[in-house]
Amino acid sequence: ILNVEQSPQSLHVQEGDSTNFTCSFPSSNFYALHWYRWETAKSPEALFVMTLNGDEKKKGRISATLNTKEGYSYLYIKGSQPEDSATYLCAFWIQGAQKLVFGQGTRLTINP
Amino acid sequence: DTGVSQNPRHKITKRGQNVTFRCDPISEHNRLYWYRQTLGQGPEFLTYFQNEAQLEKSRLLSDRFSAERPKGSFSTLEIQRTEQGDSAMYLCASSSLSYNEQFFGPGTRLTVL
Repeated sequence: ILNVEQSPQSLHVQEGDSTNFTCSFPSSNFYALHWYRWETAKSPEALFVMTLNGDEKKKGRISATLNTKEGYSYLYIKGSQPEDSATYLCAFWIQGAQKLVFGQGTRLTINP
Repeated sequence: DTGVSQNPRHKITKRGQNVTFRCDPISEHNRLYWYRQTLGQGPEFLTYFQNEAQLEKSRLLSDRFSAERPKGSFSTLEIQRTEQGDSAMYLCASSSLSYNEQFFGPGTRLTVL
């Protein structure tokens, strides 16, 4: 059974603070790792698709790093804003089965 | 293009009834995925289509579940003889290439009483 684990499960952060959370995945047969943001009552939205070990991607105040050899990715949010409140999901792409396996998500709440 | 749409957004049904959900993907996307999400969990893969061909189906999917994508455009997911355990959010997503980002619809929330 392939496991994708995210930690923490939930997080409360003060507005303006920076935060980060972790996604752990199998270090073998890596092909791609996805990060999605899912705001309440909206559709999950892709943030990043990461494929190369050591890769770092950035979108505004959000960035992500990837370590495929040890099987983890970090998502960072700098200067959190209320609109950052959402569930952040990572997903591991299984090339053979052509499907994503999602972690359980990190639910982020920004306190004004 | 307005993105991926799903209908209905909410469905309440009694145990034993059949339900059908519809997904309209982004028009130029040839891949379409169905997921199920329950409280506190991430989306769980159910099945996917490349054009009209259903290429992968989760072993977790019982025979009561069936999906179609008749002309390689919209897709339907039918659940027969619904059970309370089928209560969940059903998400549809589409993509252009295999490991590319997936574009999700807003989901259909099913409640089985």
